[in-house]
Amino acid sequence: DAGVTQSPTHLIKTRGQQVTLRCSPKSGHDTVSWYQQALGQGPQFIFQYYEEEERQRGNFPDRFSGHQFPNYSSELNVNALLLGDSALYLCASSLTGTSGRSGEQYFGPGTRLTVT
Amino acid sequence: DQQVKQNSPSLSVQEGRISILNCDYTNSMFDYFLWYKKYPAEGPTFLISISSIKDKNEDGRFTVFLNKSAKHLSLHIVPSQPGDSAVYFCAASLDGGTSYGKLTFGQGTILTVHP
Repeated sequence: DAGVTQSPTHLIKTRGQQVTLRCSPKSGHDTVSWYQQALGQGPQFIFQYYEEEERQRGNFPDRFSGHQFPNYSSELNVNALLLGDSALYLCASSLTGTSGRSGEQYFGPGTRLTVT
Repeated sequence: DQQVKQNSPSLSVQEGRISILNCDYTNSMFDYFLWYKKYPAEGPTFLISISSIKDKNEDGRFTVFLNKSAKHLSLHIVPSQPGDSAVYFCAASLDGGTSYGKLTFGQGTILTVHP
């Protein structure tokens, strides 16, 4: 049973460019959350996708956007990259029950983004 | 505004001894707390959790204590093993309402267990 997978593992971009990161959830999960982990900090919630819609968002600018596909996989897009966007981007998947509440989150290994 | 804080960046413990990792929070609305462990090049792995209606939860060598009045929780690892060496994150969430499981993390504590 494959866990949460993310691609690519590492990425180097230049300021002003755009980037797309990808996530495949754990089998049986239907909800994907994205987190940004800066060096020496804990992960910070970016947003969560369920039923192909963004249903909750953290304190991140509109340059950060996402998408969820019918197979529950997800993409994180960041436009107009800044040096401060350099971080580890973590994807977490979970199962939303009939109550509408998200269950335990399982994390992928992350994508290390470096902006130069 | 750091709503979840881990004030000790690192902790060093001898194998076999107890490791105690601490976490403080400011948002009294949090009602579910979790500890995650993270090894290099891997994502955080869930370790143990506690609901705000409890003050203690045990799972093998791991015990989490919650003091709601002090807005403080701690993770005890007994006995500590070298394989426990990792970064430990405290996280909090709102279990109900429209939280949908959004996790608010602390900064992490690097635990090193020496043989």
